[in-house]
Amino acid sequence: KQEVTQIPAALSVPEGENLVLNCSFTDSAIYNLQWFRQDPGKGLTSLLLIQSSQREQTSGRLNASLDKSSGRSTLYIAASQPGDSATYLCAPLPPNDYKLSFGAGTTVTVRA
Amino acid sequence: GAVVSQHPSRVICKSGTSVKIECRSLDFQATTMFWYRQFPKQSLMLMATSNEGSKATYEQGVEKDKFLINHASLTLSTLTVTSAHPEDSSFYICSAAGRQTIYNEQFFGPGTRLTVL
Repeated sequence: KQEVTQIPAALSVPEGENLVLNCSFTDSAIYNLQWFRQDPGKGLTSLLLIQSSQREQTSGRLNASLDKSSGRSTLYIAASQPGDSATYLCAPLPPNDYKLSFGAGTTVTVRA
Repeated sequence: GAVVSQHPSRVICKSGTSVKIECRSLDFQATTMFWYRQFPKQSLMLMATSNEGSKATYEQGVEKDKFLINHASLTLSTLTVTSAHPEDSSFYICSAAGRQTIYNEQFFGPGTRLTVL
C-alpha cells in the first residue's frame, strides 16, 4: 500500500519568501504524481501533474520536481503571496489505476 | 482543466433522513468517479470508486448499504447517504477521470458539506 508523507505539516512565511514543500512516497512504481491546493472548506484544485518519466514540471511561479527512484517530489513556490495560503497535497498515482494516495498535506500561511 | 461540479454545496438534514449528493463532469466524459470523505484538518479518505454502468467498489470499512453510489452516465455520479446520523456529518468530495483527461489526471469537485442534526 502506498504511504505518502508530507513535510512540514505547516509552514508560515513572510510574503516574498520562496516555499519548499516536500512529499515522499514508499512505492516508486508510479504513473504520475499530482500536486493539489485546497482552500478551507473547498475542493481540490489541481496545480501540476508530473509524469513518472519527467524530472520536473513548471507552471508560473510553481515548479515541481520528481525523483521517482528515491520516492520524492518537491513543490517550489517562488515569491510567495498571501493568496498562496492554503493546504497543499501531493498524490502519486499507480500505473493502470486511477486511485490516488494522499498525504496529510502542508498548510501554508503567507504573512503580508 | 476539466470542470467537475457538485450539488448541493451544503446540506443540513435531520437524523434518519437520506441525502443525495450529485457529482457532474461538465466538459468531459468521466468513465471513473471517486467519492472521498474528509474530516476537519485531515486528508481525504477514499470511500468508493465508481465506473460508468457498473457497481461501485467500496474501500474497506465503508458500508455500501449506507453510502449508495450510482454512476448511471458518463457525466453523473450520485452518492446517497441513507438514514444519516450525526457521525455521517463530514465534507464529501468527488473526483472524475476518464476519456479526454491526459495521463489519468483527476479533477475534483468543490465538495459538499453535510451536517446531520
